[in-house]
Amino acid sequence: KNEVEQSPQNLTAQEGEFITINCSYSVGISALHWLQQHPGGGIVSLFMLSSGKKKHGRLIATINIQEKHSSLHITASHPRDSAVYICAVGSLLAQKLVFGQGTRLTINP
Amino acid sequence: DGGITQSPKYLFRKEGQNVTLSCEQNLNHDAMYWYRQDPGQGLRLIYYSQIVNDFQKGDIAEGYSVSREKKESFPLTVTSAQKNPTAFYLCASSIAPGVEGNEQFFGPGTRLTVL
Repeated sequence: KNEVEQSPQNLTAQEGEFITINCSYSVGISALHWLQQHPGGGIVSLFMLSSGKKKHGRLIATINIQEKHSSLHITASHPRDSAVYICAVGSLLAQKLVFGQGTRLTINP
Repeated sequence: DGGITQSPKYLFRKEGQNVTLSCEQNLNHDAMYWYRQDPGQGLRLIYYSQIVNDFQKGDIAEGYSVSREKKESFPLTVTSAQKNPTAFYLCASSIAPGVEGNEQFFGPGTRLTVL
């Protein structure tokens, strides 16, 4: 079992829909990261959080430390949100970032 | 503009040849990392460096080598010993050592194809 599991692996939605991507982890962590990878391959950091909730524009990230679970929400989704979203955790045991497999999101106009 | 650059974007290599991937950052970050990305898998750590003239093996270091002679540069050599080198390679950096928590900034990546 991977230390970081994301669901769903693939998600297709219509423009304007509310999107939720989930991340569960099984190790003690210092922080959790949400990253965005566009088709060209470059990766951008969206959020780094260790508790509670963060919001940036239409993106919201939440984390529940007790349940070892995080969600990334996108409100009023747009085709430009189409990308792979990656969850990564700073593992206290492994002393490194551990990455999920990613969720491929496609927003159709 | 501060950032991380990787070159080239696409690289083709004949089997049996060594090849070096470039990674440069002007963010004044101490720590730098190399990751490999394969389809359907999460990023895997190849090597990392927390300070100049020092580097550590990651999870999949076999068949790779690195150097860190300057703070801003962390080149990765894919040697002929790497059994399956075709992949997407990403370089990253963070302000300070401490792999587990600091936000990492990523370069645009190099796609290596072995012919």
